[in-house]
Amino acid sequence: DGGITQSPKYLFRKEGQNVTLSCEQNLNHDAMYWYRQDPGQGLRLIYYSQIVNDFQKGDIAEGYSVSREKKESFPLTVTSAQKNPTAFYLCASSGSRTVEAFFGQGTRLTVV
Amino acid sequence: AQSVAQPEDQVNVAEGNPLTVKCTYSVSGNPYLFWYVQYPNRGLQFLLKYITGDNLVKGSYGFEAEFNKSQTSFHLKKPSALVSDSALYFCAVREAATTDSWGKLQFGAGTQVVVTP
Repeated sequence: DGGITQSPKYLFRKEGQNVTLSCEQNLNHDAMYWYRQDPGQGLRLIYYSQIVNDFQKGDIAEGYSVSREKKESFPLTVTSAQKNPTAFYLCASSGSRTVEAFFGQGTRLTVV
Repeated sequence: AQSVAQPEDQVNVAEGNPLTVKCTYSVSGNPYLFWYVQYPNRGLQFLLKYITGDNLVKGSYGFEAEFNKSQTSFHLKKPSALVSDSALYFCAVREAATTDSWGKLQFGAGTQVVVTP
């Protein structure tokens, strides 16, 4: 069953802690993306990667970090430097043969 | 810089009536345009895209969209709305065929569609 898997679906973090969100795809897509969704603000790009071992900052990269060691995986770490991390995080991927991006089911992060 | 505007926060329509969700865009080159739908606490589902060719694009679940280059618009339409169409709809744009903008898929703020029985 092909697609993008994000885990966990819900995540709670204490202030001052780093937390890593998982994103795995088996679509053989080269490009992967992380977006943050807040009510009324649409989706904002955090980081994206076009190829393994390479990634670029999006519009709101401060307080976040990523790695792309494997084509299938693009984990996002929300660091303690992120001032307001409570949000819905969406991972997506796209390939050379597809123009559109395909999305995972999202991870809802809540800081407690 | 590219941008997308969805001028309506919410669209209300009665079941069986036509549904239109508006989108305007701005890119420096030729656009790739997309519509996605999101149900509560879920990811985005792809509905349709415009790349090139016919200005009227047909997509999933009976939705279609019309590309208008002169008005820089890409409105989503459905001839007869269903209660199950109630969801959050996003328009997105990407500048065509430039490596640097591969990741720059820009989304609008979203439009909540409410279809009443």
